Amino acid sequence: GAVVSQHPSRVICKSGTSVKIECRSLDFQATTMFWYRQFPKQSLMLMATSNEGSKATYEQGVEKDKFLINHASLTLSTLTVTSAHPEDSSFYICSAQIKPGDQPQHFGDGTRLSIL
Amino acid sequence: QKEVEQDPGPLSVPEGAIVSLNCTYSNSAFQYFMWYRQYSRKGPELLMYTYSSGNKEDGRFTAQVDKSSKYISLFIRDSQPSDSATYLCAMSGVGGTSYGKLTFGQGTILTVHP
Repeated sequence: GAVVSQHPSRVICKSGTSVKIECRSLDFQATTMFWYRQFPKQSLMLMATSNEGSKATYEQGVEKDKFLINHASLTLSTLTVTSAHPEDSSFYICSAQIKPGDQPQHFGDGTRLSIL
Repeated sequence: QKEVEQDPGPLSVPEGAIVSLNCTYSNSAFQYFMWYRQYSRKGPELLMYTYSSGNKEDGRFTAQVDKSSKYISLFIRDSQPSDSATYLCAMSGVGGTSYGKLTFGQGTILTVHP
């Protein structure tokens, strides 16, 4: 149980394009989803917290206009990287909780984004 | 000083060895303690989850939490080459601004060689 699916697993695109990443909870309803970013050989850094039906809460230093998050249903959250540039290249990972504060979080398999 | 400190290694052990991984933390509000395993280019996979202090065992894995020392450990018995991965400790509080959020250690890279 507690499976989180992330799609796509790999994206390569040109600078200036926008990229959408989906995060789905397959066998449970997730009130809260989190989006992380991970650089090579580094740990996960929280970008934002996404609650179903409300605006996402962004961590300090994360541009909300750059990283658009939508959590329209209890099983789907999306992260859109707008006008992506090479410095946005990274490994993006989502996680989900059944209810706020509930542990442990369950993670997707990540999306490797490469901007040329 | 980081809230969670974890030795990044790398750690290399022979097959069958007992592996000891640990993290220290500074935030006394942390109540949930997790260990995740992450293979290359994959998302973290939950290994162990503990609430508050104590020990927990699951197969070859044992997790220990000592809140008085702000120190958590993960032991892997009879290590296998398939255990080669990055091990991340993660922690969370039960309220306040850190509610529900995980704070990760840097991760320890483990290699188990045949």
